[in-house]
Amino acid sequence: DSGVTQTPKHLITATGQRVTLRCSPRSGDLSVYWYQQSLDQGLQFLIQYYNGEERAKGNILERFSAQQFPDLHSELNLSSLELGDSALYFCASSTRTSPDTQYFGPGTRLTVL
Amino acid sequence: AQSVTQLGSHVSVSEGALVLLRCNYSSSVPPYLFWYVQYPNQGLQLLLKYTTGATLVKGINGFEAEFKKSETSFHLTKPSAHMSDAAEYFCAVSSIGNQFYFGTGTSLTVIP
Repeated sequence: DSGVTQTPKHLITATGQRVTLRCSPRSGDLSVYWYQQSLDQGLQFLIQYYNGEERAKGNILERFSAQQFPDLHSELNLSSLELGDSALYFCASSTRTSPDTQYFGPGTRLTVL
Repeated sequence: AQSVTQLGSHVSVSEGALVLLRCNYSSSVPPYLFWYVQYPNQGLQLLLKYTTGATLVKGINGFEAEFKKSETSFHLTKPSAHMSDAAEYFCAVSSIGNQFYFGTGTSLTVIP
């Protein structure tokens, strides 16, 4: 158990809908990262937040957005969902003293029908 | 720019045999290198990492990796494969403050 929690574990929805994925980092970790893992794209970095502020952006679509709240949990919002958005979405966190190491949550499996 | 290439998307070894999973990286700055393992329906678990210092890094479950700058490689090895090692393995590169770049993964099958 990495200490990173993600909810829900599974999510099934329809095209055009909007969903919110939630992540709680390990206690004390200020950084949160979001990744998308799909069969055709592999593991892709989406976005990073550090202590509430956006720190880095990767291959995140404009239909996707994220935020990190004062209690350090983070949410990834996916809107106007398409079939191709079906994937595993992982959250990871890292500490201020060891920012080089990321600890991953169990992931949320999103299925868009 | 940074990137990772994992040679061999599927590797099969016999139980008790040497495990060798290959990873080559590209980085314009001194890299931080990682190996993660992913078991079915689970998240990624850190196996080992290289940041600075000793180039031979030991990780969990008997795995180790050697950073070879001249070869831009960070291959993962284990002397004797166990059935429980069957999983997906990912190599990743980053540098301090930067995002991670993951390889496409290597699926390890252990044959009894």
